[in-house]
Amino acid sequence: EDKVVQSPLSLVVHEGDTVTLNCSYEVTNFRSLLWYKQEKKAPTFLFMLTSSGIEKKSGRLSSILDKKELSSILNITATQTGDSAIYLCAVVNAGGTSYGKLTFGQGTILTVHP
Amino acid sequence: SQTIHQWPATLVQPVGSPLSLECTVEGTSNPNLYWYRQAAGRGLQLLFYSVGIGQISSEVPQNLSASRPQDRQFILSSKKLLLSDSGFYLCAWTRDVRYNEQFFGPGTRLTVL
Repeated sequence: EDKVVQSPLSLVVHEGDTVTLNCSYEVTNFRSLLWYKQEKKAPTFLFMLTSSGIEKKSGRLSSILDKKELSSILNITATQTGDSAIYLCAVVNAGGTSYGKLTFGQGTILTVHP
Repeated sequence: SQTIHQWPATLVQPVGSPLSLECTVEGTSNPNLYWYRQAAGRGLQLLFYSVGIGQISSEVPQNLSASRPQDRQFILSSKKLLLSDSGFYLCAWTRDVRYNEQFFGPGTRLTVL
């Protein structure tokens, strides 16, 4: 059974801090790992990672995949109150009878205080 | 451009009543379609996914079912709702799960009383 575990489950920081969110996974036929941000309603896409060691960056957010360790991290530098959200990690299974399946972790709730 | 619609946005239903939630995607063809349920403030639980018409995979045994009557339409149903069915239901699509990210609909907040 595919499994995704995120840590920490919740995190409270102050504006300007840097945070690192973790995602570890177990999946047959790994295809890719995705990060999403969810504020009020629908999750919005952040990154898709398929190759180990290649950092993806968007403004103050960056992410990297380690296929050897079966994990990924999401970094947010100089946090702002607008970064407060649930951050979700998911893995894509693209093989066999599980083709097309996505498994999400339980999410990390990030709260940024002014 | 592609858009995904879900309705209704909110729903309050009594225990034992039927359910039908609808999701449609515009601007693409043969999308991969997904139904998720989310408990308050937590991760997404995959309920059903479909990589093509007539192909529906169920992830969690329960009193819910899914159907894909048209290429871009995905319906979540129940004959008799339980209290535990309350939650936030999200529909999502992707062009090809191997290469593309998922896009989510606005969601339906279901409360079963």
